Amino acid sequence: EDQVTQSPEALRLQEGESSSLNCSYTVSGLRGLFWYRQDPGKGPEFLFTLYSAGEEKEKERLKATLTKKESFLHITAPKPEDSATYLCAVLSGSARQLTFGSGTQLTVLP
Amino acid sequence: NAGVTQTPKFRILKIGQSMTLQCTQDMNHNYMYWYRQDPGMGLKLIYYSVGAGITDKGEVPNGYNVSRSTTEDFPLRLELAAPSQTSVYFCASSPRDRKDLAEAFFGQGTRLTVV
Repeated sequence: EDQVTQSPEALRLQEGESSSLNCSYTVSGLRGLFWYRQDPGKGPEFLFTLYSAGEEKEKERLKATLTKKESFLHITAPKPEDSATYLCAVLSGSARQLTFGSGTQLTVLP
Repeated sequence: NAGVTQTPKFRILKIGQSMTLQCTQDMNHNYMYWYRQDPGMGLKLIYYSVGAGITDKGEVPNGYNVSRSTTEDFPLRLELAAPSQTSVYFCASSPRDRKDLAEAFFGQGTRLTVV
């Protein structure tokens, strides 16, 4: 059974204070690892797809990296508008749908 | 464009009652999905549809039913509501079958409480 664990559950940063969110996973044959942003009262917004260890993707202040056991979402010089819950999900070889982690709630204080 | 519209936004049901969550999209997308999101968790797929007249089960279909008589509408029916169905329900649509949800448009969600 695919498993995804995200840490920390919640993170408070000062504006400009860089940090990383962790997503560790156990799957049988990874087809892809995905990062999403979810604002309160809204559905998830797709951010990145990573397919193989060593791969990196960047978007504005966000950078996602992937190893064989975990992924990191690095946030550089965050702003208050980056406050949201960040979800990680995996798709394994035999799965018909995504397996999600429980998310990291990020708060960036001005 | 309105995108994906879900109604109602909030609902409280008593155990054993039934209700229909409405979802409509105006983007002419073939693919539509129903997810549930429990507190502090990610999404779980309930049902999906690849086009009018075609539906299939997701990961957690028990206690739910769907229909897809038109491209635009994809209602989710709860029969005999149970406390375990307390959740936030999201409807989504996509122009293609994207399991990664990369091109999915989501509704605002329906917060359902069963008491």
